Amino acid sequence: EAGVAQSPRYKIIEKRQSVAFWCNPISGHATLYWYQQILGQGPKLLIQFQNNGVVDDSQLPKDRFSAERLKGVDSTLKIQPAKLEDSAVYLCASSRRTDGYTFGSGTRLTVV
Amino acid sequence: RKEVEQDPGPFNVPEGATVAFNCTYSNSASQSFFWYRQDCRKEPKLLMSVYSSGNEDGRFTAQLNRASQYISLLIRDSKLSDSATYLCVVSNYNTDKLIFGTGTRLQVFP
Repeated sequence: EAGVAQSPRYKIIEKRQSVAFWCNPISGHATLYWYQQILGQGPKLLIQFQNNGVVDDSQLPKDRFSAERLKGVDSTLKIQPAKLEDSAVYLCASSRRTDGYTFGSGTRLTVV
Repeated sequence: RKEVEQDPGPFNVPEGATVAFNCTYSNSASQSFFWYRQDCRKEPKLLMSVYSSGNEDGRFTAQLNRASQYISLLIRDSKLSDSATYLCVVSNYNTDKLIFGTGTRLQVFP
């Protein structure tokens, strides 16, 4: 079974630039999550989708972050404009009750 | 107060040692509990679920104390390959959302 695919693996941008990350979950997993993991910390949930609807985006900085999951499959997370403190690993995960969580390998963002 | 609290370590132990990690959670509505392992520059991976009755998987034993809102992980006969960060995770069944602790770093030396 293919895992959760994310791209790009690494991204370096200047502050105030825009960036987008892509995630393809495991086939059949209705729930998709984006987590932000800052160095030395545990992952923090940014947004949770159930199919193509948002379940929880309470910790998403909506002034600069946006996410969508069209057709209930792939998802993109965008940051516009980026700040230095956005430097982190952005992890996508998908789940189905019977399977549990699977994380992608993440996108490491550096904002300079 | 953080929802899930862990000692960040690092714990430096020799091969063969027994080491224990503890974790506390603040939300009494939490219903599911896990330990995840995260290697350097890798994604978190499920190590084991934690059940009220306690559970064991080889050298790893997990315990849950709901009254004290406390979770533990015991690693016996530590191996060099156990070196990693161990993340304590809780979830409310209704939301499926995982709440992670900061993680405890373990370094096993020869």
